[in-house]
Amino acid sequence: EPEVTQTPSHQVTQMGQEVILRCVPISNHLYFYWYRQILGQKVEFLVSFYNNEISEKSEIFDDQFSVERPDGSNFTLKIRSTKLEDSAMYFCASSVVQGATSYRREQYFGPGTRLTVT
Amino acid sequence: AQKVTQAQTEISVVEKEDVTLDCVYETRDTTYYLFWYKQPPSGELVFLIRRNSFDEQNEISGRYSWNFQKSTSSFNFTITASQVVDSAVYFCALNIVGAGTASKLTFGTGTRLQVTL
Repeated sequence: EPEVTQTPSHQVTQMGQEVILRCVPISNHLYFYWYRQILGQKVEFLVSFYNNEISEKSEIFDDQFSVERPDGSNFTLKIRSTKLEDSAMYFCASSVVQGATSYRREQYFGPGTRLTVT
Repeated sequence: AQKVTQAQTEISVVEKEDVTLDCVYETRDTTYYLFWYKQPPSGELVFLIRRNSFDEQNEISGRYSWNFQKSTSSFNFTITASQVVDSAVYFCALNIVGAGTASKLTFGTGTRLQVTL
């Protein structure tokens, strides 16, 4: 069964460093997302992406964050200068199979990347 | 703005007991979707069910059942004859149709279910 994959599973970085989190969405999905979950808290939306541009972003997704789909398979989240409060689990998700009716809006999540900023 | 409330932070049950996880949502939109996701100790988020706002029919899938009541803005999840493998954090989430197909999921704070022998 197709699934969303994410690399690395765990990233440790120093404050101020740049990190790139990588995701491979389900191959025939059209919409891509990043969410984060600070330890023990709820899952928060960061950004959605469709047709090679950002569809929606939250107030968390400031100028330090960027997303890119550099080729036909990868979807990346870059944090330019990490802060301690960026430590969290970052989930990538994808949804809506190409050609399917739009009511099938469930988002399928990857296993997450745990980012630790020291 | 939309909001999802899961008032139960943590529930502990003994195996084979039935348990209901509550979810209350708020939105001004008339067309929306509701979801339940399971987050086991391994950390991934597993999709369980989607329900749209114009279909209030309850659904049963094995030991899982869902009760959607638009009048009370609730979408509760019941596990019958719980098992240790059901131990996880369960999240209820809301998706607004009018915001477009790529619109975000708004999650509740989750309910941690602990099933013991």
